[in-house]
Amino acid sequence: GAGVSQSPSNKVTEKGKDVELRCDPISGHTALYWYRQRLGQGLEFLIYFQGNSAPDKSGLPSDRFSAERTGESVSTLTIQRTQQEDSAVYLCASSLVRNGYTFGSGTRLTVV
Amino acid sequence: AQRVTQPEKLLSVFKGAPVELKCNYSYSGSPELFWYVQYSRQRLQLLLRHISRESIKGFTADLNKGETSFHLKKPFAQEEDSAMYYCALSGPGATNKLIFGTGTLLAVQP
Repeated sequence: GAGVSQSPSNKVTEKGKDVELRCDPISGHTALYWYRQRLGQGLEFLIYFQGNSAPDKSGLPSDRFSAERTGESVSTLTIQRTQQEDSAVYLCASSLVRNGYTFGSGTRLTVV
Repeated sequence: AQRVTQPEKLLSVFKGAPVELKCNYSYSGSPELFWYVQYSRQRLQLLLRHISRESIKGFTADLNKGETSFHLKKPFAQEEDSAMYYCALSGPGATNKLIFGTGTLLAVQP
């Protein structure tokens, strides 16, 4: 595609439910990143994919968070048993060459 | 630890005034520094990177290793410069992971 696509753009969920956030990177971009942005804060790194493997998961805040990537394309970030502190904008970015990030428009997650 | 500090949450200037958005970093090594910008209702996008030594939309930023700073400057602000600006750094290695600051909202008044 022409850009990085994220869905849904907005998600409201009840505390305790599981959610899945999707990212479609730019075709051919081998690197994919997930970040989280809480209100009034900077972007927190969550996880990095190179191809289908995730050599850096150091930012995942707990074992309730997981992510996968298939076919060097789509990635899914799953949050199990959501908590109110999970409310944030989740941003995905992809990259072909070093340091050339292209961001998606994000998914705004609200846990009520 | 790697860290990026943007001390100002909000910077308000009048059109035509000079702008300096501050960014300081903490990194033991030679980082690569970037400025990203997010205009209202738009995606976060790369503005400039220090290795390119370029000027984009009139903005420049010089890496000062002695002061560990990478301040973003523009001599004459325009209303369309109003946006959220994020400073970020990337260390060596294969991950290309960016560490972001908390951002500064630039408001250019007419």
